Amino acid sequence: QKEVEQDPGPLSVPEGAIVSLNCTYSNSAFQYFMWYRQYSRKGPELLMYTYSSGNKEDGRFTAQVDKSSKYISLFIRDSQPSDSATYLCAMSAGVYSGGGADGLTFGKGTHLIIQP
Amino acid sequence: GAGVSQTPSNKVTEKGKYVELRCDPISGHTALYWYRQSLGQGPEFLIYFQGTGAADDSGLPNDRFFAVRPEGSVSTLKIQRTERGDSAVYLCASSPLQGLNSNEQFFGPGTRLTVL
Repeated sequence: QKEVEQDPGPLSVPEGAIVSLNCTYSNSAFQYFMWYRQYSRKGPELLMYTYSSGNKEDGRFTAQVDKSSKYISLFIRDSQPSDSATYLCAMSAGVYSGGGADGLTFGKGTHLIIQP
Repeated sequence: GAGVSQTPSNKVTEKGKYVELRCDPISGHTALYWYRQSLGQGPEFLIYFQGTGAADDSGLPNDRFFAVRPEGSVSTLKIQRTERGDSAVYLCASSPLQGLNSNEQFFGPGTRLTVL
């Protein structure tokens, strides 16, 4: 079993829909949770950064962390065709530095397609 | 300002050859990371530098892989006796570790390595 599990998709939804992406993990030491967006042939770009359990909202994006269930989610409201990309969850335990700036453990990524 | 840059963008080599991949982090960023991303997978952590020293090299797969950051800025990832399984996109990221966005990892576009 991999430390972080993420359904690779593809996930195809119509424009304007609410998108739900999620990851499960097995390492209870993880405290810092991130979502990255990656366009084809580009490096990952940070979308959301969360420490411990709880919710965080930024514009159309909401990140949720449930440490008791070892489950994290990213919701995208009013999805746009420009949101079509691969979404990667990532996490760290913060062993070597505070704030989670250790090497990250990534999920496989979910390929999201927003149909115009 | 300038982001993380990586050179070359593409590298094709033959099995058994030696390669060097270069990363120029964002100016002033203390931390530097190397990851490897195979097709259809998330990035896999290789090594993390704080300044000139490797704080965590637990992700290096074997002793054919080595990385340096002699002056605390530019880093070089070195792969000896390349194997076909080393073919992947090698991503570099940097993080300021202080100030705004202190723990965010900013990724470069990657070097696509192909071992024939």
